[in-house]
Amino acid sequence: DTGVSQNPRHKITKRGQNVTFRCDPISEHNRLYWYRQTLGQGPEFLTYFQNEAQLEKSRLLSDRFSAERPKGSFSTLEIQRTEQGDSAMYLCASSHTARPTIYFGEGSWLTVV
Amino acid sequence: DAKTTQPTSMDCAEGRAANLPCNHSTISGNEYVYWYRQIHSQGPQYIIHGLKNNETNEMASLIITEDRKSSTLILPHATLRDTAVYYCIVRVVNYGGSQGNLIFGKGTKLSVKP
Repeated sequence: DTGVSQNPRHKITKRGQNVTFRCDPISEHNRLYWYRQTLGQGPEFLTYFQNEAQLEKSRLLSDRFSAERPKGSFSTLEIQRTEQGDSAMYLCASSHTARPTIYFGEGSWLTVV
Repeated sequence: DAKTTQPTSMDCAEGRAANLPCNHSTISGNEYVYWYRQIHSQGPQYIIHGLKNNETNEMASLIITEDRKSSTLILPHATLRDTAVYYCIVRVVNYGGSQGNLIFGKGTKLSVKP
């Protein structure tokens, strides 16, 4: 499977704990995006990288959220001190600047209890 | 905010064509029209995109009006597996250069019925 891969697919955590999601983009895609989706809403943009540089961050990305893409390949999204409002599906997507169609992974579901 | 307007929901009979409309009256010259769909609990799936010409691929056809202010996604023979939320998105694309992100609205919930 050469699509966008996200892990873990499901995570249940207690309020106040930290969680980390990993995304492996399609091979050779230099752009990587993170989105969040809550029930009944469309996906909301959080941030994106071109290679290892984080080029844009939404105001939705509070200081408890941090995303990294250290070698320009996989990316991690960490949420510190989770709150119940963080419960959502976190989507990763990737594209290439020369072929800009964006492809999504299957998402990582977070439930904060 | 999303720059498109879509009906909240639509029904379609299995085997018939599904025609999903989208209004994007403020579209700019370098903005493409993209369509994605999302089946329950899965990530969005790319369907098709276009600038001003009509486009067709193995999944669907995209018809863009001459003034580019609206478009229609056509699923020629809808099946039960096409039941999903369909998103119409306009996005700046400069090949090899600046590209906008995908800004999703609420989309159209298409229900294909037997």
